[in-house]
Amino acid sequence: KNQVEQSPQSLIILEGKNCTLQCNYTVSPFSNLRWYKQDTGRGPVSLTIMTFSENTKSNGRYTATLDADTKQSSLHITASQLSDSASYICVVHLMNSGYSTLTFGKGTMLLVSP
Amino acid sequence: DAGVTQSPTHLIKTRGQQVTLRCSPKSGHDTVSWYQQALGQGPQFIFQYYEEEERQRGNFPDRFSGHQFPNYSSELNVNALLLGDSALYLCASSIPGPAGGSYEQYFGPGTRLTVT
Repeated sequence: KNQVEQSPQSLIILEGKNCTLQCNYTVSPFSNLRWYKQDTGRGPVSLTIMTFSENTKSNGRYTATLDADTKQSSLHITASQLSDSASYICVVHLMNSGYSTLTFGKGTMLLVSP
Repeated sequence: DAGVTQSPTHLIKTRGQQVTLRCSPKSGHDTVSWYQQALGQGPQFIFQYYEEEERQRGNFPDRFSGHQFPNYSSELNVNALLLGDSALYLCASSIPGPAGGSYEQYFGPGTRLTVT
């Protein structure tokens, strides 16, 4: 079972609309949580990084929230654009005994249609 | 300032062959991590190199090996290729952050490997 679960698996929205993507994680000890955007066939690009003490962070039209108690995060996209069509991946960063690891979710595939 | 670069972009190999993928980190970065991303899946951690040594390794067989050079660039080698090795191979570079702190990983565009 993946320790980082994302929902929905895929999503289609109309251009200009808002959407929210969900991420639940079970991995610990938790250091920070990241959201990446990955265009098809390209490498992921970081959108936000939040430590356990932060509960919201914005990057333009992207706003991420984090509830470390319930181990849930969301990524809200406002006024969607066609260029937002991509996979959005939730990643949990762990620090343990001096080593760090990244655990990736499978991603939510977002399609913004005109 | 060049970001993370990878070569080649695409590669087609036959089962049983060996392949070498290359990565140059972002300027100022000294840590390189390699990931395998199968279609429709999230990236899976292969290993990480720092100061020319493998510092961490994910759950991948010994067929997967790597190297880091003094200029911090890195290679990923895969021997005895299997059909299941077909994937996008991503390289990411970073600066080691303080213990427990956050650090940014910058990903390259990836190498698409197809094994036939």
